Amino acid sequence: DAKTTQPTSMDCAEGRAANLPCNHSTISGNEYVYWYRQIHSQGPQYIIHGLKNNETNEMASLIITEDRKSSTLILPHATLRDTAVYYCIVKGYTGKLIFGQGTTLQVKP
Amino acid sequence: GAVVSQHPSWVICKSGTSVKIECRSLDFQATTMFWYRQFPKQSLMLMATSNEGSKATYEQGVEKDKFLINHASLTLSTLTVTSAHPEDSSFYICSAITGAGSTSPLHFGNGTRLTVT
Repeated sequence: DAKTTQPTSMDCAEGRAANLPCNHSTISGNEYVYWYRQIHSQGPQYIIHGLKNNETNEMASLIITEDRKSSTLILPHATLRDTAVYYCIVKGYTGKLIFGQGTTLQVKP
Repeated sequence: GAVVSQHPSWVICKSGTSVKIECRSLDFQATTMFWYRQFPKQSLMLMATSNEGSKATYEQGVEKDKFLINHASLTLSTLTVTSAHPEDSSFYICSAITGAGSTSPLHFGNGTRLTVT
């Protein structure tokens, strides 16, 4: 499964959009991009996933570049409760999710 | 939907004893479950993959005789930490999916905090 690269940490003002980038330059054609987040001392929470088209759900939007080598997770109106570690993961046919270090998002009032 | 329940949420045990952690899919059948371990300030590390009715597949470096996994039904997988030692103290998290090759997202339990004294 392809590896991903994310910034270690980011800050965002409450009420503003949080844009979390992810690079996955070695992604192959059948691999999906998944985003999860983990709030301290809890299990990871699924946010969104996609293959090549942009996706949106009640939590977030996922923008995948045309060459699929990078993506951005957008939280449209960040709240303090969105403070968490966000993981971008590329999953292939094995079904395994291999976690990297993720991005620690701090939402500030 | 897609709720994964993990029990217990925390456990303290003495060195040398064994501890069993249960992972249940409450509203779906999970043909495949995954077990992770997470040390403080680190990311989740995949330990093993378990498929219902067959032996678990362990990741490199994970001792299969120490971390016994049983996936006896489509809704229950258990992880037993045998002869636990203080270095086994960690946050153990399970996840479940309806099919290993599926693109459906994995759903995670809320983890079990194991402390070995």
